[in-house]
Amino acid sequence: DAGITQSPRHKVTETGTPVTLRCHQTENHRYMYWYRQDPGHGLRLIHYSYGVKDTDKGEVSDGYSVSRSKTEDFLLTLESATSSQTSVYFCATQGTSTDTQYFGPGTRLTVL
Amino acid sequence: AQSVTQPDIHITVSEGASLELRCNYSYGATPYLFWYVQSPGQGLQLLLKYFSGDTLVQGIKGFEAEFKRSQSSFNLRKPSVHWSDAAEYFCAVGDVSGTYKYIFGTGTRLKVLA
Repeated sequence: DAGITQSPRHKVTETGTPVTLRCHQTENHRYMYWYRQDPGHGLRLIHYSYGVKDTDKGEVSDGYSVSRSKTEDFLLTLESATSSQTSVYFCATQGTSTDTQYFGPGTRLTVL
Repeated sequence: AQSVTQPDIHITVSEGASLELRCNYSYGATPYLFWYVQSPGQGLQLLLKYFSGDTLVQGIKGFEAEFKRSQSSFNLRKPSVHWSDAAEYFCAVGDVSGTYKYIFGTGTRLKVLA
């Protein structure tokens, strides 16, 4: 499996505060993804990246932004956290178009 | 629009019994298809995948899945379930049009009775 780490693994924050989650990979994979997982919804794509500085929106991108300044790092920012953003966030990477996606261990975020 | 349906939210089976988890998809062409497993508090692990060729795909942990184009299905099977198979299972469709995005089903939670 790809070497994917996410930090922090757990975070509790208050409504209105900014939050940044980090995904780091050591596999030199081109594609990176941020998902959120909520009961009854499975995994939903927030944003994805197909190269350094190349990003695009997924199906639930409102309230989130991303940045990718290096191949190995993909940052997810909640500019002003809301309680509806309480979720488990997963990062995934993919090497080529016919490769599979490999997932990180997840970050559990609670917004009070 | 592309979509993935896992009609069973929960399934309970006895240890040693056979298992079939259902997955139906909606996609304009032959998609890439995947099954992932998630143990509690863990990330997702790939069980198997279908890109093309033989429609019966073997995966890890004794799982297999069959792609049936006529039924738009990709059901996951295991002949004899072990207690360690208790987990949540996700079916996913991969977009072959160039974005390489996945669409996930809502998952099926498997409980195994001793």
